[in-house]
Amino acid sequence: TQLLEQSPQFLSIQEGENLTVYCNSSSVFSSLQWYRQEPGEGPVLLVTVVTGGEVKKLKRLTFQFGDARKDSSLHITAAQPGDTGLYLCAEGSSNTGKLIFGQGTTLQVKP
Amino acid sequence: DTEVTQTPKHLVMGMTNKKSLKCEQHMGHRAMYWYKQKAKKPPELMFVYSYEKLSINESVPSRFSPECPNSSLLNLHLHALQPEDSALYLCASSQEYGTVVNYGYTFGSGTRLTVV
Repeated sequence: TQLLEQSPQFLSIQEGENLTVYCNSSSVFSSLQWYRQEPGEGPVLLVTVVTGGEVKKLKRLTFQFGDARKDSSLHITAAQPGDTGLYLCAEGSSNTGKLIFGQGTTLQVKP
Repeated sequence: DTEVTQTPKHLVMGMTNKKSLKCEQHMGHRAMYWYKQKAKKPPELMFVYSYEKLSINESVPSRFSPECPNSSLLNLHLHALQPEDSALYLCASSQEYGTVVNYGYTFGSGTRLTVV
């Protein structure tokens, strides 16, 4: 089973600051997904990256997939309190349907 | 309808009680999942159903009993639980197994279970 390492585990920043969250593996990802989970809710899919070197943008969020497809990053520009939540990277298996998650990054954005 | 609906939202039960969690989706998805999540931790897979058949049980104790009565419904029956089973129980669905890679899951909001 592939292990997904996420860093940092916890991040507390002021509104307006930028931040980057990382997701790494020793093996090649088939694809990688990023989810955000707000308190008391289930995770919500933000993006899927598939191609090495791919960059996707979702408003103030920028997702990158490493050229070798072994790492990914999520960058948030000018963070807002509404960005507070648990950010999870995940890899899915087409053989089993399983979705395996990284350990998560808990982000707190203070007003 | 693009939602997964879970009921109840909160549940408190004693260690001798029997209760059930319910999950419903009307997106025509044929794969459904149960996950368990402890505070500030990632979700952990419990069960996978594909076309109403149980395909994966991640060595879950028998006090958790899943059931898939039809393609839209997924239940989790609980009996003789322990306090350490207190957690957020998440239901999710995907079109089929293979679509997970590109399209991921749609999750419900979860049931917050407390065992006393």
